[in-house]
Amino acid sequence: DVHLAQSGAELKKPGESLKISCEASGYDFTSSWIAWVRQMPGRGLEWMGIIYPGDSDARYSPSFQGQVTISADKSISTAFLQWTSLKASDTAMYYCARRMRRAAAGSFYYYMDVWGKGTTVTVAS
Amino acid sequence: EIVLTQSPGTLSLSPGERATLSCKASQSVTSTYLGWYQQRPGQAPRLLIYGASIRATGIPDRFSGSGSGTDFTLTISRLEPEDFAVYYCQQYGTFGQGTKLEVK
Repeated sequence: DVHLAQSGAELKKPGESLKISCEASGYDFTSSWIAWVRQMPGRGLEWMGIIYPGDSDARYSPSFQGQVTISADKSISTAFLQWTSLKASDTAMYYCARRMRRAAAGSFYYYMDVWGKGTTVTVAS
Repeated sequence: EIVLTQSPGTLSLSPGERATLSCKASQSVTSTYLGWYQQRPGQAPRLLIYGASIRATGIPDRFSGSGSGTDFTLTISRLEPEDFAVYYCQQYGTFGQGTKLEVK
């Protein structure tokens, strides 16, 4: 069974650092991209960025470039999302998801088929 | 940057009725990149449709997707109680703002 297990809820203070994780199981971790998605309280989904664990190629949405770091350790099938200095506005639920690329009939299909349950991050003084 | 605009923002219907949700792109998008996701309260999003019209594994056939270019539609033929949720369209790195489907 394909599964993404995310780390537990975090309560941090402004200015602190944080690294949350997403551990994959049930498939070849190095062969599919992992995306990170933010959902602020009561709001919609926002694409933060994506990483290919095979070579750690990471790409960021312009809104999140320079604000977070996405990394992966293929030896433990785990992707990470990291902040060096949290702000109150980072309070949100963060989801990881497997981004599939499927080739069929001469076309490529892209979709996020497996999601973690999310990690709640609360930043408050 | 492509912007996806979903309408309506909120749709109020009764179980058994048909739901039609719209997703309009600010410029033409590749339909094989277009997906629909369902998010129930307190849960992670779930893939419903990819490639604009292909149901994901385990998704009931009352869900269907259509469209091309800039206009895409998610249709739920007969609403079940568990279908009342928020629905998002997505193209590559962009999500729509969501449509909330609520019980009338």
